[in-house]
Amino acid sequence: DTGVSQDPRHKITKRGQNVTFRCDPISEHNRLYWYRQTLGQGPEFLTYFQNEAQLEKSRLLSDRFSAERPKGSFSTLEIQRTEQGDSAMYLCASSSPGTTQGTQYFGPGTRLLVL
Amino acid sequence: QKEVEQNSGPLSVPEGAIASLNCTYSDRGSQSFFWYRQYSGKSPELIMSIYSNGDKEDGRFTAQLNKASQYVSLLIRDSQPSDSATYLCAVKGNSGYSTLTFGKGTMLLVSP
Repeated sequence: DTGVSQDPRHKITKRGQNVTFRCDPISEHNRLYWYRQTLGQGPEFLTYFQNEAQLEKSRLLSDRFSAERPKGSFSTLEIQRTEQGDSAMYLCASSSPGTTQGTQYFGPGTRLLVL
Repeated sequence: QKEVEQNSGPLSVPEGAIASLNCTYSDRGSQSFFWYRQYSGKSPELIMSIYSNGDKEDGRFTAQLNKASQYVSLLIRDSQPSDSATYLCAVKGNSGYSTLTFGKGTMLLVSP
């Protein structure tokens, strides 16, 4: 059983550029979450998918952020016109209705640095 | 606004001691509680979950939940240097979907 995978693991970009991250959840998990974590903070919720439907978005998710999960499998998170404040670890997690109380399992994360 | 509070630490314990990590939450309707371990530069790894008042044991780890006091804790017995990490408390409410609210984490340092 493979875990959650994310790609790339690291991304360095210049301010103003667009970046896209990919997340592949655990195969039988239909729920997928994106979180952002900055140094010294816990992960903060960004958005949630159940199958292909985006059901919840945090106020943290500005207009520059967009997420998709077109076929209910992998998901992408795009940040347009990146800002230095976007530098963070972007974490993806997945869960299944069958897992106890919706336990979420995290991928390794994508670390973004905006110069 | 839902809040989860943890002492940032660091909590320093000698090898073999019991480490006690605490967490309080503001949403009285919260249903599920999770402890994640996070090594520096890595992603969170699930250690334990608890849903009912009382204690839940798994190996060297014991989670304790008191919903009346809105308090959840994690005890680590026979602490090892490899337990040195940041421990994140996460809470799932009963409204909305399955999203988790995390505390800032407590750094644990276990000295040999």
